[in-house]
Amino acid sequence: DAGVTQSPTHLIKTRGQQVTLRCSPKSGHDTVSWYQQALGQGPQFIFQYYEEEERQRGNFPDRFSGHQFPNYSSELNVNALLLGDSALYLCASSLGLAGVGDTQYFGPGTRLTVL
Amino acid sequence: QKEVEQNSGPLSVPEGAIASLNCTYSDRGSQSFFWYRQYSGKSPELIMSIYSNGDKEDGRFTAQLNKASQYVSLLIRDSQPSDSATYLCAGYNTDKLIFGTGTRLQVFP
Repeated sequence: DAGVTQSPTHLIKTRGQQVTLRCSPKSGHDTVSWYQQALGQGPQFIFQYYEEEERQRGNFPDRFSGHQFPNYSSELNVNALLLGDSALYLCASSLGLAGVGDTQYFGPGTRLTVL
Repeated sequence: QKEVEQNSGPLSVPEGAIASLNCTYSDRGSQSFFWYRQYSGKSPELIMSIYSNGDKEDGRFTAQLNKASQYVSLLIRDSQPSDSATYLCAGYNTDKLIFGTGTRLQVFP
């Protein structure tokens, strides 16, 4: 049973560039959430995708956008990168049990460094 | 005020002792709570979930929830050096997890 996978593992970009991160959910899961984790902090919720639509969004600017595909995989796009975007980006998958507290399982993360 | 608060630690306990990790939350709308363990440079790994007031036990781990006091805790019995990690408390509300900053646990031999 494959767990949550993310690619790439590491990425180095320069300010102003754009980046795309990818996530495949755990088998049987249909919901993908994205989190940003800065060094020494807890993960911060970016947004959640269910049925190919953004269902919930955290306090992140429009430079952060996403997409979910019919096979439930997802992409996170960040435009006009800033130094402060350097972080570990985590994808979590779950079943779409809205309002109940569906358990979220995290992928290994993508470490993004912006120079 | 942060929505989920944890003492950053480090919490140092000797091998074999009980480690007690605490978390408070401000949003009474939070319906369920989760404890994740995160080793340095790795992603969070789910340890326990708890939805109802009271205790929930799983092996060496016991999660406790008190909704009236808005308090969640995690007890680790017979602590091992391999338990040394950062423990993240998270509350679930309207489709998203709200995390605390984590408590760093150090178990020394």
